[in-house]
Amino acid sequence: GEDVEQSLFLSVREGDSSVINCTYTDSSSTYLYWYKQEPGAGLQLLTYIFSNMDMKQDQRLTVLLNKKDKHLSLRIADTQTGDSAIYFCAESMNRDDKIIFGKGTRLHILP
Amino acid sequence: EADIYQTPRYLVIGTGKKITLECSQTMGHDKMYWYQQDPGMELHLIHYSYGVNSTEKGDLSSESTVSRIRTEHFPLTLESARPSHTSQYLCASSEPRYNEQFFGPGTRLTVL
Repeated sequence: GEDVEQSLFLSVREGDSSVINCTYTDSSSTYLYWYKQEPGAGLQLLTYIFSNMDMKQDQRLTVLLNKKDKHLSLRIADTQTGDSAIYFCAESMNRDDKIIFGKGTRLHILP
Repeated sequence: EADIYQTPRYLVIGTGKKITLECSQTMGHDKMYWYQQDPGMELHLIHYSYGVNSTEKGDLSSESTVSRIRTEHFPLTLESARPSHTSQYLCASSEPRYNEQFFGPGTRLTVL
């Protein structure tokens, strides 16, 4: 069945770049997402990428997609303390399908 | 900004009580979802709805029930709460263009 895998923890120094990685199993995934969850809150969509794209950049965020390896990454440039959160990778086959979430990567910012 | 609301935000109740967690959205979305999430842990889909009078069970077995009588409203009910129901419950709705899900702030439930 569909599965989304990501590492559970990442520690990064303030000002460095953070790279959060994700792999998925369903090669027919059309939409791939990154969500952010701050403590005590719901999830918020950060960015998404279509399966026919290789890269998407939005200010400090860069998403890279390697369809051949089914690998998705989120790079946060100049990481700030406000970036401390849990980041969820997610995918769906089409706009009518349920979204499958990974288990989340907790990003910890070191001073 | 997402217009999806959940009440109450926090609830502490005793075992055996019946409770209803409320979720409302003003975006006119047909698709709505309930997730259960232990603190800092993965999301588990427990119910979803693709429109009025449509409800389906999710991937995680749950003793809760849902109803969808109006598009904007998707309440979740526990007939008899137990300590194992202690968790955070997140409601979401999704828009049709890119299937982006908008999440409510969650209800943190504690059953004593």
